[in-house]
Amino acid sequence: DTAVSQTPKYLVTQMGNDKSIKCEQNLGHDTMYWYKQDSKKFLKIMFSYNNKELIINETVPNRFSPKSPDKAHLNLHINSLELGDSAVYFCASSHGTMNTEAFFGQGTRLTVV
Amino acid sequence: GENVEQHPSTLSVQEGDSAVIKCTYSDSASNYFPWYKQELGKRPQLIIDIRSNVGEKKDQRIAVTLNKTAKHFSLHITETQPEDSAVYFCAAILGGSYIPTFGRGTSLIVHP
Repeated sequence: DTAVSQTPKYLVTQMGNDKSIKCEQNLGHDTMYWYKQDSKKFLKIMFSYNNKELIINETVPNRFSPKSPDKAHLNLHINSLELGDSAVYFCASSHGTMNTEAFFGQGTRLTVV
Repeated sequence: GENVEQHPSTLSVQEGDSAVIKCTYSDSASNYFPWYKQELGKRPQLIIDIRSNVGEKKDQRIAVTLNKTAKHFSLHITETQPEDSAVYFCAAILGGSYIPTFGRGTSLIVHP
């Protein structure tokens, strides 16, 4: 009964490939997020999605795109992977409009070789 | 400058000592300030939070203080234990947004 689950946990792929990371939450939250955590541990917001409103961090390359088939899912698609995309990607969810705790998934460690 | 600044980046203490981590934020409309703990290889998890209508909150060995005028908030851990070793992140919900913006993290090491 994991609250926020993302798959896969590890992803190793070659430069130029296209890959997806899936995220699901069973908390009934209305807002979901994707964060990128680099080697220095900085948690950088990439996207947030709330009631069909998508907010994009302007620094995120357009090779990254979120897809939300429903309120419980926010998947991350990455095209033409680059070495610099290697990082840990965290999905999270919260009751966004109520300013409450964000619950994180276990993270996906992406390694581009 | 960054919206949420956090200091220090690393903090090394002896078991039993206190540890203090400080954060400042830029947007005076911010009203929610959570703190997360991330153990090695794990996900960030909330340990304590505070809202703008409160100046201090305590939960056993951890406490958070908020100074809205100065726009800074701090995490205090007393009687530190080796299992407190982790990376701690402050965050703020910036005004006009519902997105948690994180500080750069503090790596706390508690030596037995």
